[in-house]
Amino acid sequence: KQEVTQIPAALSVPEGENLVLNCSFTDSAIYNLQWFRQDPGKGLTSLLLIQSSQREQTSGRLNASLDKSSGRSTLYIAASQPGDSATYLCAVFTSGTYKYIFGTGTRLKVLA
Amino acid sequence: DGGITQSPKYLFRKEGQNVTLSCEQNLNHDAMYWYRQDPGQGLRLIYYSQIVNDFQKGDIAEGYSVSREKKESFPLTVTSAQKNPTAFYLCASSIFGVGVAKNIQYFGAGTRLSVL
Repeated sequence: KQEVTQIPAALSVPEGENLVLNCSFTDSAIYNLQWFRQDPGKGLTSLLLIQSSQREQTSGRLNASLDKSSGRSTLYIAASQPGDSATYLCAVFTSGTYKYIFGTGTRLKVLA
Repeated sequence: DGGITQSPKYLFRKEGQNVTLSCEQNLNHDAMYWYRQDPGQGLRLIYYSQIVNDFQKGDIAEGYSVSREKKESFPLTVTSAQKNPTAFYLCASSIFGVGVAKNIQYFGAGTRLSVL
């Protein structure tokens, strides 16, 4: 059974720092992995999707990598800003199940 | 504007009452999903539907029911059998036609359900 873990659960950094959020999964048979952002009381916004055949994806200050064999993904945020403060969730779309399994998220606070 | 609309934003349920949460999408997506989110937990899948008139149970389907009579609509009913319904409910949709590896999920803004 696929399990997704995100570490750390919470993170507080000063503005301008580069930071890394981690996501690990137990079953490497996945179609893709998706990173989402969730603001308090809101829905999820898709940030990046990495297909199982890809190693990384970039969008602006965000870079996500995928190492399927080790069951890990990282989300790198460059030059963090207070507006980046939110909860970041990763989800894996597991082969043969047609559904996403979500991690519990990392709550990020960027201090001005 | 294309997107997913969930209504209402806030909903209150009385003891023994069934309530229905609405989810409508105009993205022409084939698949639709319902998730439940509790504080400090990840999203858990309640039901999903890949095509009209077909749906499958997710991991926590007990006490919930759905229908998929139209491609655009996937309402969720929280029945009186669901003893702990207080949570944030999220609807999502995705398209399978481009290949499952490119299956991006798009989410609505959510409905917060509380028990009176």
